Amino acid sequence: DAKTTQPPSMDCAEGRAANLPCNHSTISGNEYVYWYRQIHSQGPQYIIHGLKNNETNEMASLIITEDRKSSTLILPHATLRDTAVYYCIVRVGGGNQGGKLIFGQGTELSVKP
Amino acid sequence: GAVVSQHPSRVICKSGTSVKIECRSLDFQATTMFWYRQFPKQSLMLMATSNEGSKATYEQGVEKDKFLINHASLTLSTLTVTSAHPEDSSFYICSAVDRTDTQYFGPGTRLTVL
Repeated sequence: DAKTTQPPSMDCAEGRAANLPCNHSTISGNEYVYWYRQIHSQGPQYIIHGLKNNETNEMASLIITEDRKSSTLILPHATLRDTAVYYCIVRVGGGNQGGKLIFGQGTELSVKP
Repeated sequence: GAVVSQHPSRVICKSGTSVKIECRSLDFQATTMFWYRQFPKQSLMLMATSNEGSKATYEQGVEKDKFLINHASLTLSTLTVTSAHPEDSSFYICSAVDRTDTQYFGPGTRLTVL
């Protein structure tokens, strides 16, 4: 079973920041938080991941609370092409362990003009 | 980011035939690949873990004799759906793990069994 909880859907206005929350209250010390998104009829796209520090890349920012029980994915300036299902997943990482990704239901983000 | 390809992107076959789907990591080597399937309006479901040079590990409820997995090289894993039936119609997606332990996904293969 997925170990994360996400709202089933969210709307966001084009050009505004999209803030997608995720609860992972049972996360273990060696588990990372990963975010992927899936645009309709395509394979999931990797966005970002982190352990305990906040992370930023060209796509998004990941804010992880100090107790690591929740996180927020931030798309700073959402566009219509960001409309997708966003998945928050926790998994054991580090090294070349190739840990499984178990997908939950995700959040369906709709970016509206 | 790393690129993973799948072939074919779409396949239609008759009931009782076998279908092979290829998953390739194009610009990196992957000792571990994963196979998922996704039914309409549902999330991805992990089917099996494919390790180069060894037998695949199947998730509970997935028939290993029906879904044959071969990971013959560090850039190629294949999934063969044997004696396919209409209930096997689904979207099959693979992923490959790069040296940073990040999984990258292929574009998926849409299988329709008539």
